[in-house]
Amino acid sequence: NAGVTQTPKFQVLKTGQSMTLQCAQDMNHNSMYWYRQDPGMGLRLIYYSASEGTTDKGEVPNGYNVSRLNKREFSLRLESAAPSQTSVYFCASSEAQGLTNEKLFFGSGTQLSVL
Amino acid sequence: RKEVEQDPGPFNVPEGATVAFNCTYSNSASQSFFWYRQDCRKEPKLLMSVYSSGNEDGRFTAQLNRASQYISLLIRDSKLSDSATYLCVVNNLNQGGKLIFGQGTELSVKP
Repeated sequence: NAGVTQTPKFQVLKTGQSMTLQCAQDMNHNSMYWYRQDPGMGLRLIYYSASEGTTDKGEVPNGYNVSRLNKREFSLRLESAAPSQTSVYFCASSEAQGLTNEKLFFGSGTQLSVL
Repeated sequence: RKEVEQDPGPFNVPEGATVAFNCTYSNSASQSFFWYRQDCRKEPKLLMSVYSSGNEDGRFTAQLNRASQYISLLIRDSKLSDSATYLCVVNNLNQGGKLIFGQGTELSVKP
């Protein structure tokens, strides 16, 4: 019962460093998402992928890139990390295609600190 | 004004108490409504969907008031294990069906 697996769980970066957050789901879901969660704010959508081969910007895409490698995997890349990107990142998937969805399954999150 | 607003709490209640959370949303085009639960430092998980007629799942009751644009969650006979943050989530069709998350309401149930 793996569900949605994301790595790493914790990461500390220096300003300007790059890194990739990995996400994989084993539920054969069409849609995958990357969110960030900051204190006092709701989860905010960074990017999403409605199906294999497609990606679209969400609410806060600046400073990020994504790749839908195949149906299972959706990675998030920070090319040049900034302190404002310190956050908890969640990957999620859903059976529905696109944004219209009812049930999201989330990974366990990545705590990222940028110094 | 935030699209989805919740009282952040914390709500501190004794075991066995009944507690209610409200959530307001600003976009009248919103179509679907949900409550998610998030334990400390964990991922959010769907608790229940909210239907126009209201719905109940054990000790949990969700209500929707479209005219006033608010959603409520009632928890009866609170358990220690109910301690968590409860996220109000709204599906906004004007934004392609994107889910909008409230900032969450923290509940702490004490012995």
